[in-house]
Amino acid sequence: GAGVSQSPSNKVTEKGKDVELRCDPISGHTALYWYRQSLGQGLEFLIYFQGNSAPDKSGLPSDRFSAERTGGSVSTLTIQRTQQEDSAVYLCASSFYTGKPDTQYFGPGTRLTVL
Amino acid sequence: AQSVTQLDSHVSVSEGTPVLLRCNYSSSYSPSLFWYVQHPNKGLQLLLKYTSAATLVKGINGFEAEFKKSETSFHLTKPSAHMSDAAEYFCVVNTNAGKSTFGDGTTLTVKP
Repeated sequence: GAGVSQSPSNKVTEKGKDVELRCDPISGHTALYWYRQSLGQGLEFLIYFQGNSAPDKSGLPSDRFSAERTGGSVSTLTIQRTQQEDSAVYLCASSFYTGKPDTQYFGPGTRLTVL
Repeated sequence: AQSVTQLDSHVSVSEGTPVLLRCNYSSSYSPSLFWYVQHPNKGLQLLLKYTSAATLVKGINGFEAEFKKSETSFHLTKPSAHMSDAAEYFCVVNTNAGKSTFGDGTTLTVKP
């Protein structure tokens, strides 16, 4: 079946604008993760959804960042009033969840550039 | 709290020689541990995972890792490196609470 998809693949925006990043997980995967990968660095955990609920929002860098998930499927990560330090690749992953963490399947990412 | 330390940011080996990528973790709970690989301009792919079954875990492409609770380690090994193994490798710890913590990554270079 189809893998995790993310849109857009690239986004260039001006400082101060809002952006929305979308993630379509693999059908049937109840867990969904958002990460940020800055140039030359590892993955920074942002937020995790189990169904439509986000039990752990501790990774969101600031109150400019928010995320939601509807229908246990599509998720949107919104960054308000973007700053240049928000430039990074934003990765989404999904997995089954049966009480223990399972393999995460990653999307191709959205490369965000804030000018 | 949980954390992951990948002890080497860069590892360079010759083709045909063994590979060792080191990972230490800390977790307040019984963790699940994973190794992912990221080839240049490609997505992250699972190599192998430990979820409290056998402590020696075999993965794809000849890689394996051993979970050692006493040493809080989960080192990744391969007996013989191939040119196609050159990539970035990430060690990951998950708890039942769902939060994933990635190590900073190890860049593996394979010399001909």
